[in-house]
Amino acid sequence: DTGVSQDPRHKITKRGQNVTFRCDPISEHNRLYWYRQTLGQGPEFLTYFQNEAQLEKSRLLSDRFSAERPKGSFSTLEIQRTEQGDSAMYLCASGGGGGNQPQHFGDGTRLSIL
Amino acid sequence: DAKTTQPPSMDCAEGRAANLPCNHSTISGNEYVYWYRQIHSQGPQYIIHGLKNNETNEMASLIITEDRKSSTLILPHATLRDTAVYYCIVRAYMEYGNKLVFGAGTILRVKS
Repeated sequence: DTGVSQDPRHKITKRGQNVTFRCDPISEHNRLYWYRQTLGQGPEFLTYFQNEAQLEKSRLLSDRFSAERPKGSFSTLEIQRTEQGDSAMYLCASGGGGGNQPQHFGDGTRLSIL
Repeated sequence: DAKTTQPPSMDCAEGRAANLPCNHSTISGNEYVYWYRQIHSQGPQYIIHGLKNNETNEMASLIITEDRKSSTLILPHATLRDTAVYYCIVRAYMEYGNKLVFGAGTILRVKS
């Protein structure tokens, strides 16, 4: 059990650029979640995958955001045409077993928009 | 999911037990209580969860009242490394998993 891995840890980009983050969940975890956290706030849910199927999306996930989990293993989160308000920590979590089993988080990707 | 209420901050002396309360008076029968903590610049760390029975693991104990309207997370011997934001979350059981809804949490400061 190597834990949830996220890459990169930090990303600095100019407004208007596209960025992509990667999440490698704990092996054999079939559930994968993305959250966003801004300074001083708790994490907010963005989207959820059960294997490769995206089962739930938050209204926070605007049209500029897209997430994939093509083979039910790693996942990517892409933000197109980044805006200042996208600056945040993007967290990935994974879970396995029954629906009451806990989610385990990675250490996130911190995105800064110049 | 039911809303939780936590004190915004608490202090604890190093080596003493830290008791973090959480109120969830509108909890439903199929909702579990989860505790996570977040140390600065890290992702949230799972601590413990329970439905109605008290639970204990290597990190902490979770005490849930009989009516399930409140709970207490106990760190038996707090250390400086336990300084963090602690989140109490109530989440309904769903077969295919369910998102976590985080509140503001409690900032626990462990002091030497």
